Amino acid sequence: AQKVTQAQTEISVVEKEDVTLDCVYETRDTTYYLFWYKQPPSGELVFLIRRNSFDEQNEISGRYSWNFQKSTSSFNFTITASQVVDSAVYFCALSEPYGQNFVFGPGTRLSVLP
Amino acid sequence: GAVVSQHPSRVICKSGTSVKIECRSLDFQATTMFWYRQFPKKSLMLMATSNEGSKATYEQGVEKDKFLINHASLTLSTLTVTSAHPEDSSFYICSARVSPYEQYFGPGTRLTVT
Repeated sequence: AQKVTQAQTEISVVEKEDVTLDCVYETRDTTYYLFWYKQPPSGELVFLIRRNSFDEQNEISGRYSWNFQKSTSSFNFTITASQVVDSAVYFCALSEPYGQNFVFGPGTRLSVLP
Repeated sequence: GAVVSQHPSRVICKSGTSVKIECRSLDFQATTMFWYRQFPKKSLMLMATSNEGSKATYEQGVEKDKFLINHASLTLSTLTVTSAHPEDSSFYICSARVSPYEQYFGPGTRLTVT
């Protein structure tokens, strides 16, 4: 069975601090995709990244970076120099081939204080 | 990229009435759409899978007579909450499958039953 764990329920940081959001997943499939979404107070899910199971390269996009390590089944997300606008709930998710759905983690609520 | 819309974005209704939520894929055809429910401060939970031209598949614990799903065309799925009660108040999000691994999410509908 698939499972996504985000151990941090809530995180508070002060603006300009770096913050890492953890994601650990479980799956029996060798082919799968991992995702990160941002959900601001408006509720709309904002797609951040998709990573397939065969691509372990880390990725950087502006202040965002992702560290995918299959050996530890982790797909962690780091925000560098955090800003107040980064305050949101962040979800990690896992998708299997032709799976019925995404398996979402419980989410991490990030508060960036000015 | 692919766009999924939902209508309405917010709805308030009285207890006992029925409410219909529409989910549309705007620039692509979706044979499979999904309906999720999100309680406050919780993650997204799959309610049902909607397949064009056939009956929806409901997740365990979801009342199919309560949450009617119709997927009459390749661009439209509807969720009708029948005889709504205050406990049905929630954030409902739909998505459309665009590939074996990926779904595009709608902006969500916030339902409040008074």
